[in-house]
Amino acid sequence: DQQVKQNSPSLSVQEGRISILNCDYTNSMFDYFLWYKKYPAEGPTFLISISSIKDKNEDGRFTVFLNKSAKHLSLHIVPSQPGDSAVYFCAAEITGTASKLTFGTGTRLQVTL
Amino acid sequence: ETGVTQTPRHLVMGMTNKKSLKCEQHLGHNAMYWYKQSAKKPLELMFVYNFKEQTENNSVPSRFSPECPNSSHLFLHLHTLQPEDSALYLCASSQDDSSRYYGYTFGSGTRLTVV
Repeated sequence: DQQVKQNSPSLSVQEGRISILNCDYTNSMFDYFLWYKKYPAEGPTFLISISSIKDKNEDGRFTVFLNKSAKHLSLHIVPSQPGDSAVYFCAAEITGTASKLTFGTGTRLQVTL
Repeated sequence: ETGVTQTPRHLVMGMTNKKSLKCEQHLGHNAMYWYKQSAKKPLELMFVYNFKEQTENNSVPSRFSPECPNSSHLFLHLHTLQPEDSALYLCASSQDDSSRYYGYTFGSGTRLTVV
């Protein structure tokens, strides 16, 4: 049973517009969430994270929002750039346990000109 | 170059072969991981090593055998694999067995095809 779900396998956004990638989770024990970005033929790279004590974390063009009651988080990229085209993975973990990230299946973002 | 190097990048092996995947990091990290990524599936954690000691074996079949001789090197020994084991195998490392501050640093992976 998948505890972290990314229901949109792909997303296409025009350059300059906002990209919104969504992630849902089922395990209420998760208290730390991360987004990773993956280019073809490369490993995932850490992008941004958020603790469950916050509802928003911002880093430049990237903002992650967390809605604990809905068990939902989203990654906003504003403005989107062609170099943002990649697969984005949502991941979650329970602090205090030996680190065991649970990943979603990923969303492929295509930023068009 | 991410700081975590995996070799080989691609591997094709028969079901009766024995091969090994290698992972190396010189980031000063103490925890290392093997993940498997199959098509349209989430990344699946296979093994965790913290300070060279295996702390997690996520119900992985014995045809996969990890080895961690020191904190900088991690191997995955493969023998009598099945075609369904074909996947991208990713190695990762982190400062300790917690990802929360720095995230994991992943290697580029080994694309394994079992024929």
